[in-house]
Amino acid sequence: GAVVSQHPSRVICKSGTSVKIECRSLDFQATTMFWYRQFPKKSLMLMATSNEGSKATYEQGVEKDKFLINHASLTLSTLTVTSAHPEDSSFYICSATSDRGRTGEQYFGPGTRLTVT
Amino acid sequence: AQTVTQSQPEMSVQEAETVTLSCTYDTSESDYYLFWYKQPPSRQMILVIRQEAYKQQNATENRFSVNFQKAAKSFSLKISDSQLGDAAMYFCAYMRTGTASKLTFGTGTRLQVTL
Repeated sequence: GAVVSQHPSRVICKSGTSVKIECRSLDFQATTMFWYRQFPKKSLMLMATSNEGSKATYEQGVEKDKFLINHASLTLSTLTVTSAHPEDSSFYICSATSDRGRTGEQYFGPGTRLTVT
Repeated sequence: AQTVTQSQPEMSVQEAETVTLSCTYDTSESDYYLFWYKQPPSRQMILVIRQEAYKQQNATENRFSVNFQKAAKSFSLKISDSQLGDAAMYFCAYMRTGTASKLTFGTGTRLQVTL
């Protein structure tokens, strides 16, 4: 199956700083990427949908100025958590698809654990 | 809005036995996909099985099969000959067909496999 990578896998940052998480599709062109947040022992919550070359679509309740998403190429999307605070600590997962909804296939990255101190 | 409900927070099964995980969903759409994903302790999401709503035949992948009841909006996962490696969180998910539609996940069922 297709491979999606995320970098870094773990990051610790100080409160008030910004941190960038990268999501890359390694062997296919991802027309759409999704960013999820997962709290401990909870389900995945969709944060935003990102289409290459256009602005991301954020889910209700997700602050677009806090969670900046850029999908500048068909293989890379980035999530930047700006002015991070301890409540932003979470597990962030990206997924990618190239099929424009034909098969429903999405490929998930391994996730990034963010800890804000 | 679509919702996905998993009413079993935890399930346990003995090795080599069979277990069924429940999932119900709510949608007004007629064309959609349903999925079961596995999330082991590594937290990597792994696709277990996929069902297209227009197909009446239940999907099967080796030891994994589903019971898809479209009228009842039910989509259960049966794991046969359970193995220790099956222990994980299992998420049921719904996706409307169309242009890169988003996944809606259930709350998950934690499956324990005992010797």
